[in-house]
Amino acid sequence: SQKIEQNSEALNIQEGKTATLTCNYTNYSPAYLQWYRQDPGRGPVFLLLIRENEKEKRKERLKVTFDTTLKQSLFHITASQPADSATYLCALVYSSASKIIFGSGTRLSIRP
Amino acid sequence: GAVVSQHPSRVICKSGTSVKIECRSLDFQATTMFWYRQFPKQSLMLMATSNEGSKATYEQGVEKDKFLINHASLTLSTLTVTSAHPEDSSFYICSATLPGGEQYFGPGTRLTVT
Repeated sequence: SQKIEQNSEALNIQEGKTATLTCNYTNYSPAYLQWYRQDPGRGPVFLLLIRENEKEKRKERLKVTFDTTLKQSLFHITASQPADSATYLCALVYSSASKIIFGSGTRLSIRP
Repeated sequence: GAVVSQHPSRVICKSGTSVKIECRSLDFQATTMFWYRQFPKQSLMLMATSNEGSKATYEQGVEKDKFLINHASLTLSTLTVTSAHPEDSSFYICSATLPGGEQYFGPGTRLTVT
């Protein structure tokens, strides 16, 4: 069965640095991959979507890469701020089905 | 971005009663909506796919007679937890997919069964 692994359960970095989160998957590549932010007691908030034929996507301080050879996506937050502290989820969608498979999430903490 | 709402945001009910949760897409039509549940410090677990005008598709291990899903219109799906028990206490979240593939989530409903 398909597995998704996000690099670590928790990540702590200094404000102003670039936070890099990793999402690895097994078996076949998805049609597209999404990243979400989730705050405690709230539903996930959509951030970025990247398709299998795209290498990189950017949105303001966010950047996502997608390497189908490595079966990996990297999610970067540049010039990180304490307000970026949250859990970040990667999610895969396969063309054969419309449902999403979520990773377990990485809890990111940005210290001032 | 697209908006998905859920109602209620919190509900407390007694064991044995039923609870209905509504999920609405406010500014777009959604032929497909999804229902998830999430336990503390865990990721989202897909319960079922709700299809407008037809029966929902349930994930393995999810009791369809306990978690009734109705997708009566292109903007509304409901999840009814029937004969709720304390182990059904959880955070329930719905989502809807835009034509481009982005999936937007509701704010979630915290269900507590006493």
